[in-house]
Amino acid sequence: AQSVTQPDIHITVSEGASLELRCNYSYGATPYLFWYVQSPGQGLQLLLKYFSGDTLVQGIKGFEAEFKRSQSSFNLRKPSVHWSDAAEYFCAVGAEGGSYIPTFGRGTSLIVHP
Amino acid sequence: DSGVTQTPKHLITATGQRVTLRCSPRSGDLSVYWYQQSLDQGLQFLIQYYNGEERAKGNILERFSAQQFPDLHSELNLSSLELGDSALYFCASSAGVGNEQFFGPGTRLTVL
Repeated sequence: AQSVTQPDIHITVSEGASLELRCNYSYGATPYLFWYVQSPGQGLQLLLKYFSGDTLVQGIKGFEAEFKRSQSSFNLRKPSVHWSDAAEYFCAVGAEGGSYIPTFGRGTSLIVHP
Repeated sequence: DSGVTQTPKHLITATGQRVTLRCSPRSGDLSVYWYQQSLDQGLQFLIQYYNGEERAKGNILERFSAQQFPDLHSELNLSSLELGDSALYFCASSAGVGNEQFFGPGTRLTVL
């Protein structure tokens, strides 16, 4: 069965600093990988996704993520964080074929200090 | 705005009661997913419908049921409610199986 681990429950950064949120997955074949963001009181919004091809994926709001098969990781990065990036971030892994249902990590809460 | 709508936004009810949550998918999306988000369990997949047919089941209790209607909107029915059912319930839709999911704003259910 597929699974996702987000090791950091909370991350605190200063505005303007760089950011990296960690995600490790467990799946036997090539996974579909996603990062979602959830602002307070809102639903989840897709930031970016990886299905195949270039392992460095660009997303919305200046985010990018890199798929590293050897490390089973799909870490999310942003070079300069803005206060509006404060939110909950979820990594998810999906499987090709069948009904395809993504499994979500427990999330990482990003706190941005001015 | 994802294009997915959910009603009601908030729902407060008592233990033992039954409620219905409604979801309208994005225009043209055939697949609807229901998720439960709670502090202790995180985001859990409940059930998926595709063009009116149940496609996949996750951690959905027997007290819960769902359906997707011919106009593609979906309803999640929760019965014999318990305190532990208090959570955010999200609906998501996608064009088909394996496509990107778009999430609605959620329904916050509080069971007192």
